[in-house]
Amino acid sequence: KAGVTQTPRYLIKTRGQQVTLSCSPISGHRSVSWYQQTPGQGLQFLFEYFSETQRNKGNFPGRFSGRQFSNSRSEMNVSTLELGDSALYLCASSPTPDGANYGYTFGSGTRLTVV
Amino acid sequence: TQLLEQSPQFLSIQEGENLTVYCNSSSVFSSLQWYRQEPGEGPVLLVTVVTGGEVKKLKRLTFQFGDARKDSSLHITAAQPGDTGLYLCAGEANAGKSTFGDGTTLTVKP
Repeated sequence: KAGVTQTPRYLIKTRGQQVTLSCSPISGHRSVSWYQQTPGQGLQFLFEYFSETQRNKGNFPGRFSGRQFSNSRSEMNVSTLELGDSALYLCASSPTPDGANYGYTFGSGTRLTVV
Repeated sequence: TQLLEQSPQFLSIQEGENLTVYCNSSSVFSSLQWYRQEPGEGPVLLVTVVTGGEVKKLKRLTFQFGDARKDSSLHITAAQPGDTGLYLCAGEANAGKSTFGDGTTLTVKP
């Protein structure tokens, strides 16, 4: 079956702009989590959605937001981009909340560069 | 917040050597996962351990969950260049979100 699909794969934006990233989970997976990965900070949890509801949120400013649709596809949005937002953004899906017992299946990520 | 500490942070070895990396916490986890990530890609799930003292083997990789479910180890026998990557552990606490360690970057030189 198809894996987790993230689009776009690469993105270059200018400071102050906004960006929307998309994630299609594995069919049947209702949990979608988003992570930011940078060399200095490792994997930082952004938020998790399960059945269209945000279950958990990490310690990121309000410029970072997300949503999940009825087909479990998810989007995350970052407004007023800053240079420090440059990172690999990873989406992960799981059949259960928090990846309990099954772990996560990750997409290949979206590499965002803010200039 | 449940912290997962991984050690060592970096490891560089020759092909054929054995190695062990560790994942430790002061918190109890109901399950723990190990992932491997290659540059430019997302992490790939290797194993999930659930029972204290559990040992799982995946070819040359051996995973162990501590008896108290607070720590885990990953042992690789006869490492190969294809084992190179970032190894991440992630723990799921009871009714909590999963927490990832900062990872161990492994380089296996031919």
